[in-house]
Amino acid sequence: GAGVSQSPSNKVTEKGKDVELRCDPISGHTALYWYRQSLGQGLEFLIYFQGNSAPDKSGLPSDRFSAERTGGSVSTLTIQRTQQEDSAVYLCASSRTPGSNQPQHFGDGTRLSIL
Amino acid sequence: GQQLNQSPQSMFIQEGEDVSMNCTSSSIFNTWLWYKQEPGEGPVLLIALYKAGELTSNGRLTAQFGITRKDSFLNISASIPSDVGIYFCAGQDTNAGKSTFGDGTTLTVKP
Repeated sequence: GAGVSQSPSNKVTEKGKDVELRCDPISGHTALYWYRQSLGQGLEFLIYFQGNSAPDKSGLPSDRFSAERTGGSVSTLTIQRTQQEDSAVYLCASSRTPGSNQPQHFGDGTRLSIL
Repeated sequence: GQQLNQSPQSMFIQEGEDVSMNCTSSSIFNTWLWYKQEPGEGPVLLIALYKAGELTSNGRLTAQFGITRKDSFLNISASIPSDVGIYFCAGQDTNAGKSTFGDGTTLTVKP
């Protein structure tokens, strides 16, 4: 498709399990971003990729969170040993480059619920 | 770190009324963005502002990049029911990849 695609759209899992969230950016976009949105809140930056490298990981909340990007395209956000406070919508965005004149375009997110 | 203060937090207006919301920052941004988010969807870009003082329109929407580069406002004229949603401002630095988002303004339009 033409937009940012995220999967799954919804994920319910038990506390302590690992989860993987996937993002397919817009074709040709070199920059990819992960954000977290808790209920009724704004977007919290997690990590961004330029190509396959991550210049800024400053937003990852703990070492249970990791992300990778392969082939300059698809990215996976992994949360290990999930906790209830990890419940949120995880949004992915991409832009043509990471510069400030390049707006980010968002997917519809993965709604993660930890029981 | 950088923080954005977005206000108001929510608005309840009558169809046809004009709406104004704004964001202020403790630090300078090189780009200001305004997004709209509807339930179950990701934010959709409405307007992007790249120069201090810039005033940009997109249909009934008008946004301005403050001269100090620390603030921006969004106006919606003659509101309609489909304007309902959460509006977010976001600031971007020149070299930093991430955007810093405000907490959003929830808009409700009564027919």
